[in-house]
Amino acid sequence: DGGITQSPKYLFRKEGQNVTLSCEQNLNHDAMYWYRQDPGQGLRLIYYSQIVNDFQKGDIAEGYSVSREKKESFPLTVTSAQKNPTAFYLCASSKWVLEEPSSYNSPLHFGNGTRLTVT
Amino acid sequence: DQQVKQNSPSLSVQEGRISILNCDYTNSMFDYFLWYKKYPAEGPTFLISISSIKDKNEDGRFTVFLNKSAKHLSLHIVPSQPGDSAVYFCAAGGGAGGTSYGKLTFGQGTILTVHP
Repeated sequence: DGGITQSPKYLFRKEGQNVTLSCEQNLNHDAMYWYRQDPGQGLRLIYYSQIVNDFQKGDIAEGYSVSREKKESFPLTVTSAQKNPTAFYLCASSKWVLEEPSSYNSPLHFGNGTRLTVT
Repeated sequence: DQQVKQNSPSLSVQEGRISILNCDYTNSMFDYFLWYKKYPAEGPTFLISISSIKDKNEDGRFTVFLNKSAKHLSLHIVPSQPGDSAVYFCAAGGGAGGTSYGKLTFGQGTILTVHP
């Protein structure tokens, strides 16, 4: 079955340490995304990548870094510069559509998330 | 500045009745809207979407209505079932060249509880 795998499910780190969250997809999607969810808030976009070796900042990129060396993989590093790193992190993928939308058959597919706790 | 808002944090409905979840947006450049459903400790799953050129889209028990003049959309679930109990997020996107279904702006979510 095709899908998105995020690992680990739970992650604990000490303040000041960088940590990398894994995201792998076998859906053959071009685009991949990282979102963050905090209690009482919607999902907020951290970074996204349309193609291999290219990525763009989302709304809250400060303190995060990403890489896209392979189509299937889009790891997210939470650096010590991120002031509030404790959150639920969601990776997603989709087809990248350039034309105006006339149908919506390629919505985001999400992984099951990684809950990061930094103390 | 929250461009997509779900003003009801929670909704409780009896099994078999209609559930109506609401969402308001402020950015008139949004040109498509989606609803996602999320269970605890899982990622959201896509439910239904609607283009800004339509005012209604139906898929089984789920119908999404869009009122562009009011910048308001709603999700109707009829009949509601206990398995529908989850957090529902509305999301909006588009409005720029190179449309991507992934660059979405999400609302805060509404917790739906369907009682047997």
